[in-house]
Amino acid sequence: NAGVTQTPKFQVLKTGQSMTLQCAQDMNHNSMYWYRQDPGMGLRLIYYSASEGTTDKGEVPNGYNVSRLNKREFSLRLESAAPSQTSVYFCASLLEGASPGSPLHFGNGTRLTVT
Amino acid sequence: SQELEQSPQSLIVQEGKNLTINCTSSKTLYGLYWYKQKYGEGLIFLMMLQKGGEEKSHEKITAKLDEKKQQSSLHITASQPSHAGIYLCGARTSGTYKYIFGTGTRLKVLA
Repeated sequence: NAGVTQTPKFQVLKTGQSMTLQCAQDMNHNSMYWYRQDPGMGLRLIYYSASEGTTDKGEVPNGYNVSRLNKREFSLRLESAAPSQTSVYFCASLLEGASPGSPLHFGNGTRLTVT
Repeated sequence: SQELEQSPQSLIVQEGKNLTINCTSSKTLYGLYWYKQKYGEGLIFLMMLQKGGEEKSHEKITAKLDEKKQQSSLHITASQPSHAGIYLCGARTSGTYKYIFGTGTRLKVLA
């Protein structure tokens, strides 16, 4: 049982290049999330998807787009990478609906450097 | 800006010492979660608090949520090097699926 899988683990981009970060979960979870983690900033929510077919902006959505391809997969796209997007990106998934209880399950992260 | 503030930002303690990490929100929390992150890895769920005044313990870690559900503390008793890492509090925004995190506390335990 793999849980939440992110690819790639590492990536170096030049300013202006584009790329897509992939995330897949095999736990039949409803909700999926993308976060970025910068030193001293904790985790900041970029986008989330409460269910298949829906996406919503988080705290820092500018410069990113997402696609909830199906229930398993949630991708994050950088159309024109900037040095300010250098960060560690985490994908997470959640089973329950609106009531609290189940925690988020995290992938191991993608370390992105934009030069 | 983040809605969850953690203090301290970093902490260095001698092995065996007790320590406390705080998480504060300006809004009522709809479920408060504590996670631990080992350096360079993903987050591991520790515990969840939901009710005002609730307290939970796991091994040497105790978490509390105040009556107003706006502040939580994480207390580690007799710290060990294995406790080192980044501790983050997270919370659901009431009525939504939005799940935000605090600024994190980096803990180092000296053997």
